[in-house]
Amino acid sequence: QKEVEQNSGPLSVPEGAIASLNCTYSDRGSQSFFWYRQYSGKSPELIMFIYSNGDKEDGRFTAQLNKASQYVSLLIRDSQPSDSATYLCAVNEAQGGSEKLVFGKGTKLTVNP
Amino acid sequence: DVKVTQSSRYLVKRTGEKVFLECVQDMDHENMFWYRQDPGLGLRLIYFSYDVKMKEKGDIPEGYSVSREKKERFSLILESASTNQTSMYLCASSLDPGVAGEQYFGPGTRLTVT
Repeated sequence: QKEVEQNSGPLSVPEGAIASLNCTYSDRGSQSFFWYRQYSGKSPELIMFIYSNGDKEDGRFTAQLNKASQYVSLLIRDSQPSDSATYLCAVNEAQGGSEKLVFGKGTKLTVNP
Repeated sequence: DVKVTQSSRYLVKRTGEKVFLECVQDMDHENMFWYRQDPGLGLRLIYFSYDVKMKEKGDIPEGYSVSREKKERFSLILESASTNQTSMYLCASSLDPGVAGEQYFGPGTRLTVT
């Protein structure tokens, strides 16, 4: 199985700052990249996906993809205490005629008021 | 909104019991997945299915089996529960056939095997 690596953190930022979450992956054939947010005691929820090199913005969230460097990141602008959660990076991997997602172990983010 | 439901939030079973975890999705998604999540190990894929009566092994299938008799329902079976299967079990679904895609998760079942 290919690997998806994330800094486990914890990452601590003050309210209003930019939080930067990073992820590297080993499968050069991967084409789809996802960020999930998981609050403590809850299940993961999809917040961003990106398929092409470059940036994709959605509100305060920006996903960045660099396939040459096999690197994907998530920026959270104007961080709020409600953004405190674990962020999971996921990458698609082919398996036979289908595909699956491989998840990183997550980065725990704390936004301090 | 996609809704994925799981039969139980908490479950306590004894070693050796046969355990059934049920997952139902109501958005006509083609694909369904079972994961377990453990501290320090992250989310690991147990089995997945891209079609009714079809199943494919994930990364940790040992000790588990699955059943998908209807499109909306995907069951995970622990044939003989063991203490090392104590975990949070998460079901997910995604829309496009054969594509892992954007997955939507159920609330999870926390299983304790004693």
